Amino acid sequence: DQQVKQNSPSLSVQEGRISILNCDYTNSMFDYFLWYKKYPAEGPTFLISISSIKDKNEDGRFTVFLNKSAKHLSLHIVPSQPGDSAVYFCAASFINFGNEKLTFGTGTRLTIIP
Amino acid sequence: DAGVTQSPTHLIKTRGQHVTLRCSPISGHKSVSWYQQVLGQGPQFIFQYYEKEERGRGNFPDRFSARQFPNYSSELNVNALLLGDSALYLCASTYSPNTEAFFGQGTRLTVV
Repeated sequence: DQQVKQNSPSLSVQEGRISILNCDYTNSMFDYFLWYKKYPAEGPTFLISISSIKDKNEDGRFTVFLNKSAKHLSLHIVPSQPGDSAVYFCAASFINFGNEKLTFGTGTRLTIIP
Repeated sequence: DAGVTQSPTHLIKTRGQHVTLRCSPISGHKSVSWYQQVLGQGPQFIFQYYEKEERGRGNFPDRFSARQFPNYSSELNVNALLLGDSALYLCASTYSPNTEAFFGQGTRLTVV
């Protein structure tokens, strides 16, 4: 039972353009969402999070949008840079558990083309 | 400052054997969580420990067990290894539930 889904296993984007990564979830009780980035041979690194009381959160080049009615969130990276090439995981949790019990999606491999 | 450290980085075991994986959290972090990442999938939650007590358990069989020591380091034990246990095992530590979870580089377990 995949409660968090990332339907695009891979995405290629030209350097300088916008990268949009998508994530859907099925459990309406989730109220805290995160994006992680993973390079080969390294553990996942936290990027940005959003709680269900918001519909948008920005941090520099990264913006996460949450559509609760559609159970959908997306990560926008603008402008995309070569160092952004990595696997991106969407994760969901409950606000009381915070960052300690995360349900991850299957990941999207982002490749930035110079 | 040292990040989350896991040992060993790689190991190969035979079906039916037992394995112990180790994790040292960031200094000051009292919570440790374990995840299993099978190839092509996202990490899947196994256990969470806080102050030496189990606070959460994912959907894993009883062959999987863990513990946390007084210095907050943790061990993940897997008995009667199966081929399907081959995966990257990740450890994450947090200072508190609402602060960032920092992951180690993982232990790559191969069961043959």
